[in-house]
Order: sequence, then structure tokens, then C-alpha cells
Amino acid sequence: GENVEQHPSTLSVQEGDSAVIKCTYSDSASNYFPWYKQELGKGPQLIIDIRSNVGEKKDQRIAVTLNKTAKHFSLHITETQPEDSAVYFCAARGTGGGNKLTFGTGTQLKVEL
Amino acid sequence: DARVTQTPRHKVTEMGQEVTMRCQPILGHNTVFWYRQTMMQGLELLAYFRNRAPLDDSGMPKDRFSAEMPDATLATLKIQPSEPRDSAVYFCASGLVGRGEQFFGPGTRLTVL
Repeated sequence: GENVEQHPSTLSVQEGDSAVIKCTYSDSASNYFPWYKQELGKGPQLIIDIRSNVGEKKDQRIAVTLNKTAKHFSLHITETQPEDSAVYFCAARGTGGGNKLTFGTGTQLKVEL
Repeated sequence: DARVTQTPRHKVTEMGQEVTMRCQPILGHNTVFWYRQTMMQGLELLAYFRNRAPLDDSGMPKDRFSAEMPDATLATLKIQPSEPRDSAVYFCASGLVGRGEQFFGPGTRLTVL
């Protein structure tokens, strides 16, 4: 089955700086890669996603890039703000599992003033 | 504002008691997922339904856990008997077949004493 690795596990940046979180996946046929943001005491919230036929997608301050050859994808947050502090999860939808997602282990992002 | 709802939000019970968690998926969604989140294991998929039929419950301890969808607007996850190691946050998510996106509820925080 699919295996997703996520790095780093913790990330601390200064407000206004950029943050990058990276994930690798194992199933070369995976075709959908969402990113979730989870704030304390809440459920994961889908913030951006990318499908395998696209190399990059951007939504305001967040962007996701996908490298199918290397089987990795990344989340980029620019001009970070304190409200960006949360745990971020990447996920991948592999083949043979219907709509099942395999999640990374999460990155605790802290944006410091 | 379409969202997944879960009840109860918090549950404290004693070992050996039965616990039932409920989820109302977003109206019109035809896939439902149950996840368990712990610090040690991250997000684990317990069960997956498509059009109310269970497709995958390989992540669920069969001897004590059961998941059902009595109708399209209700999914339940039951633990009987509960054990302290079941203490975790349980999330329900819903989506549409073929789309990939999963939308999470706020979770049920379960504590088994």
C-alpha cells in the first residue's frame, strides 16, 4: 500500500518568513495529494490539494508543488502569520483503495512574532 | 454552511463500558471515513464506507469495534467493551466517490478510565 513520509516534524519561522513542508510517497500511481491544517482542538481542514496532472497550484499565500518523477510534493506558505501556526498534514491517494488517503505524520508549524 | 457533525464532542467513560460515536456526513456525500488520532500513531483509518456499504475496516480491531451506516445521514462507531488504550480523538470525514477530497468533522475526544 501507499506510504507517506513528511518532514520536518516541527518547524519554527519568524512572522513574514516562508515555510516549506515536504512529503514523499511510495505509490507511483497515486493521483491526488491534499494538505490539511489542524488547529488545536479541531478537525483537519483541507487547505489546498493537487492532482497528478498538475505540477503546481497556488491559492493566495499557499502553494503546493508536485514532482511525480521523484514522488514528492511540498507545501509552501509565504508571508507567514501567527494564525498559520498549526499542525499540517500531507496525504496521498494511492491506487486500489478507492478514496482512501494515507496521511503523513504531521508538521507542527510555529510562527513567532 | 455544509459541514460534518459529530456527537458527542467529549466522552469520559470507564473501562468495560460501551461507547457509541455518531457522525452526520455532509448532505449528498457518499463516502464516509472513521479515523483515530493519537500522539503516537497519528491519523489512522479505521473504516471506510461507500454508498453506505463498508468497503474497508482492516484498521479496526474487530473484536471490540464496529462501524455502521444505518442511513445516508448517520454513521456510527461503537466500542464494546472499551479499554484505556482506546483513549483518542475519533474523527469522521465525508466526501464524494472519485473526487478525493475528505472533509473532517470536529472529532469526539474519548477518555477511557
